[in-house]
Amino acid sequence: AQSVTQPDIHITVSEGASLELRCNYSYGATPYLFWYVQSPGQGLQLLLKYFSGDTLVQGIKGFEAEFKRSQSSFNLRKPSVHWSDAAEYFCAAVNAGNNRKLIWGLGTSLAVNP
Amino acid sequence: NAGVTQTPKFRVLKTGQSMTLLCAQDMNHEYMYWYRQDPGMGLRLIHYSVGEGTTAKGEVPDGYNVSRLKKQNFLLGLESAAPSQTSVYFCASSMEGSQPQHFGDGTRLSIL
Repeated sequence: AQSVTQPDIHITVSEGASLELRCNYSYGATPYLFWYVQSPGQGLQLLLKYFSGDTLVQGIKGFEAEFKRSQSSFNLRKPSVHWSDAAEYFCAAVNAGNNRKLIWGLGTSLAVNP
Repeated sequence: NAGVTQTPKFRVLKTGQSMTLLCAQDMNHEYMYWYRQDPGMGLRLIHYSVGEGTTAKGEVPDGYNVSRLKKQNFLLGLESAAPSQTSVYFCASSMEGSQPQHFGDGTRLSIL
């Protein structure tokens, strides 16, 4: 069955430290991949997406993600975290074929220590 | 540019009452979605629509009904509210199924 897994439920980093949030997918073919961010009390906002081509994708707010086919991963990274990055992060995937049902990971909650 | 607007933002209901949540989008998107978000369970799709006049069940449709009479609006109804439906409800829209979804700010619903 198709699935998206975010292995880390909660992560705490210090402000200024680097960040990597993990996302693994299980699909028959390479899906389209997304990262969303949800700040407290708000809806989800798209950070970046991967459809094809360059495996390193740049997004908003200084985030990037790298697609690795061999590892079925699409990890989100940021070189230096700001306190305002504290939020919930969701990875999602959708089949590029006919069955275009978006599958969501359960999210990773990020806390940032001053 | 409003994007996706949900009304109301907060609501408290008593068990057995009914209500309708309204979602409006101004991006001319074909696809619209209703999700519920509960702690530790991520986003779960309730119902969705692939165009005006169409609706389809998601993974947790029981107890909810939807209508898409106009392209820009997607209504979620609770006919007889139950405490298990206490949740935060999000509406989203997209150009089509494989494109990024745009979300509203949510409706926080409590059922006593």
